Amino acid sequence: DAMVIQNPRYQVTQFGKPVTLSCSQTLNHNVMYWYQQKSSQAPKLLFHYYDKDFNNEADTPDNFQSRRPNTSFCFLDIRSPGLGDAAMYLCATSIYEKLFFGSGTQLSVL
Amino acid sequence: GQQVMQIPQYQHVQEGEDFTTYCNSSTTLSNIQWYKQRPGGHPVFLIQLVKSGEVKKQKRLTFQFGEAKKNSSLHITATQTTDVGTYFCASSGGGADGLTFGKGTHLIIQP
Repeated sequence: DAMVIQNPRYQVTQFGKPVTLSCSQTLNHNVMYWYQQKSSQAPKLLFHYYDKDFNNEADTPDNFQSRRPNTSFCFLDIRSPGLGDAAMYLCATSIYEKLFFGSGTQLSVL
Repeated sequence: GQQVMQIPQYQHVQEGEDFTTYCNSSTTLSNIQWYKQRPGGHPVFLIQLVKSGEVKKQKRLTFQFGEAKKNSSLHITATQTTDVGTYFCASSGGGADGLTFGKGTHLIIQP
């Protein structure tokens, strides 16, 4: 049973056209994360929520925003995607510092 | 999380050979975690080490945490094709701050 679910698996957007990626979890974990992973690179933390408390990494561009309307759902909004934002976006939850990742959304920017 | 350096970046082995990846930090780590990511997949938690000098085994995988808690290693004995993937070490600053990942070691196995 999938515990961290990301939709869609693949997303194509146009340069500058806003896009939203979604994540849901059935684990009831307090903490949710968004990571960006480019090809052959390590996942890079963008931000995280502890309950409704939002924590932004210092080097996360303003172009990236997030919403967490409730415990189960979290969204990543990219306001004006650039070519450099093409990547895999991974959502994760955490308990006792152990991360559970979703399958990711592969974002292409045309 | 705390910065961790991981080597090698790529490792080619013949099936049946052993494999080791190393993770190092300039500062003392509160803990170290290891993840495996299959090609096209997402990172999957393998193990967490917390204690100085800790050694844990999972079948053919052996994980070590250094005495000074500044380094860690993952050793795979007699690799199999199912071991293919990227192995990441990761460390957290504690609490809910999230993990900082090493750059990973890509394991390529030649049959």
